[in-house]
Amino acid sequence: EAQVTQNPRYLITVTGKKLTVTCSQNMNHEYMSWYRQDPGLGLRQIYYSMNVEVTDKGDVPEGYKVSRKEKRNFPLILESPSPNQTSLYFCASSYRAGSNQPQHFGDGTRLSIL
Amino acid sequence: KNEVEQSPQNLTAQEGEFITINCSYSVGISALHWLQQHPGGGIVSLFMLSSGKKKHGRLIATINIQEKHSSLHITASHPRDSAVYICAGSTGNQFYFGTGTSLTVIP
Repeated sequence: EAQVTQNPRYLITVTGKKLTVTCSQNMNHEYMSWYRQDPGLGLRQIYYSMNVEVTDKGDVPEGYKVSRKEKRNFPLILESPSPNQTSLYFCASSYRAGSNQPQHFGDGTRLSIL
Repeated sequence: KNEVEQSPQNLTAQEGEFITINCSYSVGISALHWLQQHPGGGIVSLFMLSSGKKKHGRLIATINIQEKHSSLHITASHPRDSAVYICAGSTGNQFYFGTGTSLTVIP
């Protein structure tokens, strides 16, 4: 089954403790992206990747890192999480770099930083 | 900055009603996307369009490039259509999202 898989689905942690949210897709998609969703602000793009070893900042990259060492995986890293990074996070992928392709979304990761 | 604006923010309809959700954008985009987010949180892509009109079942999406405006219509609405509908404009590799329209369809 074609899917985007995020882990964990839920995480409660404390300020400053490094964490990684994994994202994996099995559709051989080139383009992958991370978003955060906050009430009243909607979805905002954090980072995106057009292909292996090619990443770029979205609208809200501060406090986040990503890597794209393999085509299927695109982890989101919070080196020193802070409470303002408490949010609902989505990973998405689409067939080819460039935006004129429908995106497939993961189920989301609800992250709480205390 | 609000590159993409949606209206209304909230919408309640009786089952069977015709529903329209509007989206306006202020930036140049290469495609306009309509997404559906169910109460469980998952997001599904409904439409992607760069011109004209697309139809899928009871859902119709239109876009007017000159007016920078798109609409999502739901005909014969049903309680299972209750969800948040999100409009997004894309340009290059970046996406700009509206804040969503929360739709509740009452039986």
